Amino acid sequence: EVVMTQSPATLSVSPGERATLSCRASQSVSINLAWYQQKPGQAPRLLIYGASTRATGIPARFSGSGSGTEFTLTISSLQSEDFAVYYCQQYNNWPLTFGGGTKVEIQ
Amino acid sequence: EVQLVESGGGLVQPGRSLRLSCTASGFTFGDYAMSWFRQAPGKGLEWVSFIRSKAYGGTTDFAASVKGRFTISRDDSKSIAYLQMNSLKTEDTAVYYCTRGIAIFGVVYYYYMDVWGKGTTVTVSS
Repeated sequence: EVVMTQSPATLSVSPGERATLSCRASQSVSINLAWYQQKPGQAPRLLIYGASTRATGIPARFSGSGSGTEFTLTISSLQSEDFAVYYCQQYNNWPLTFGGGTKVEIQ
Repeated sequence: EVQLVESGGGLVQPGRSLRLSCTASGFTFGDYAMSWFRQAPGKGLEWVSFIRSKAYGGTTDFAASVKGRFTISRDDSKSIAYLQMNSLKTEDTAVYYCTRGIAIFGVVYYYYMDVWGKGTTVTVSS
């Protein structure tokens, strides 16, 4: 199984600042990588698929990059509604696997 | 509006069974793969099961942790996906989410999940 590792576990950021989240795969997953946002008590929401394509309705401040084993989610200017947990997930191999998540909190 | 609504969760004793339903609306259900994920209390996300659309064979996949105990099925005429959970264990306690899968062709078909339901809670306890 492909092990996904996210870092850091917690990121403290001030509103308006840039946030950079990392995700590493234990083997290549090509660009078959998605990012999800989850707020407390809510279902995950798809942000990015194909490593860099924004899902419908996702603001342009969210961007994804990377391929193979190294991926990054960047939030260019954090808004109050962006404080949440972010998960990366590979869909290149079965079983589908997630990283452990990065919690983005208000500094 | 595309929507997925899960139902069927509840409190069940270890070793018993439960069937979850996912009712879809706002899209042509039969054209899409469907999948179930779960999230144990305070934990991360875990994929559980997947079923392709009939056009792609309607085949299924399962996580190792549920293989042989859970089955997934679909009724395209009713726009419902099911997760039949047998021989439940305490470690199956979680919120279960239903998702829609989008197929992308590369070397083979790959699927990402674009729409998630709000989830239904399953508690396995004596």
